[in-house]
Order: sequence, then C-alpha cells, then structure tokens
Amino acid sequence: DAMVIQNPRYQVTQFGKPVTLSCSQTLNHNVMYWYQQKSSQAPKLLFHYYDKDFNNEADTPDNFQSRRPNTSFCFLDIRSPGLGDAAMYLCATSRAQGYEQYFGPGTRLTVT
Amino acid sequence: GESVGLHLPTLSVQEGDNSIINCAYSNSASDYFIWYKQESGKGPQFIIDIRSNMDKRQGQRVTVLLNKTVKHLSLQIAATQPGDSAVYFCAETLNTGGFKTIFGAGTRLFVKA
Repeated sequence: DAMVIQNPRYQVTQFGKPVTLSCSQTLNHNVMYWYQQKSSQAPKLLFHYYDKDFNNEADTPDNFQSRRPNTSFCFLDIRSPGLGDAAMYLCATSRAQGYEQYFGPGTRLTVT
Repeated sequence: GESVGLHLPTLSVQEGDNSIINCAYSNSASDYFIWYKQESGKGPQFIIDIRSNMDKRQGQRVTVLLNKTVKHLSLQIAATQPGDSAVYFCAETLNTGGFKTIFGAGTRLFVKA
C-alpha cells in the first residue's frame, strides 16, 4: 500500500544534541510537509517542500531545518533541541498544494 | 487575526446517535476545507473535504456542510460508532500567492457504548 513512513517512531535526544527525523513516501507526491504537534494541540506547520522548492513558515525557529534529497525522502533536522521542542513531529504529503494531505504516524521526540 | 476555531472542545455521544462537530473560520479567502480524524498515537487521517463553490458534500456516514455567509463548517457523523472516538480537526486552505493550510484547535469525540 502507498503510504507515508516515519522513522523512528520514538526518539530520545539530549538537550542541545542535534537530531534528525526522517520521512519517506511511496505516493510520489510533489509536496512534503513537516508539522509539530504538542499535546492536545493542533498540528503546526513548520515548512514544506513543493518539489525542490523550500517554503519556511515565518515563525519557524532557525533551529529547525529540512532537507529533501529526492522525491521520496524528507528530513527534519533540529540543530540544538531544547526542552520546548519535545513534541510529536508529523510528516505529510500531498500531490500538489491545495489538496488533501496524507500523514505519517509521527515521531515522538523526547528531550532530556 | 486569521484563525480556525471550534465551538466545542469535547463532545460525548451515545453509540448509534448522530454527531455534529462545528468549526468557525475567519478568513473569507479560504477556498478549501478538510476534516481530519486523529486517533491516539496516530497521524491525522483525511475524512472528507469541500471546496468553497459547494455547500454540502457527503461521504460514507459523514457529511460536511459549509456556510460561507457565517464562515461556518460542520462535520456530521451518522450512527456514531465506538471507532469514531478520536480528535477531529478542521483545516482551511487559502491561496495568497502561496497555499497555506491552517488547522483548527480540535474537538475530542467520545462515543459511549
């Protein structure tokens, strides 16, 4: 089945230690998104790629970066995680902008 | 400012009853709306969508209603089942030179057996 895969499902990192979360998709969608979701809150868009074009949200901290080496993969890099970055990180894809998004299961990040 | 909000943060219904989840949006430029269902420990799952040129769309056991006059969106679930228990998010999309999707705060639906 075509799907959005996130690895790992659970990640523990130390305060200030860089961490990378990965996302892959078999849907061949052009757009890939990264969201941050804290407990009992709505997903908050960090950035997205439309093909190779990177689109950063204005309020996304510089601490968060992303890479999309090819259509199938997208990475979220947190350069210096703080305690406030502990959250669920969701990857999503859509065939184009302005269409429904397909979400992965998320990676729950814990910062110690 | 621009926002998508829900009137009720939690909703409890009896199994077999119909559920109605409401959403208010403030951006008149939004032209595409989606309802997502998120179960515990999972990512949001697409339920149904509607574009601004429509006021009603039906799926299997679900109906979305759009009232552009009062900027209101609702999700109706017929014959609610225990498996419908989840958090439901509405999301609006607008194109202001680039597409932007904004999620509402979410409503938790409890289905009592």
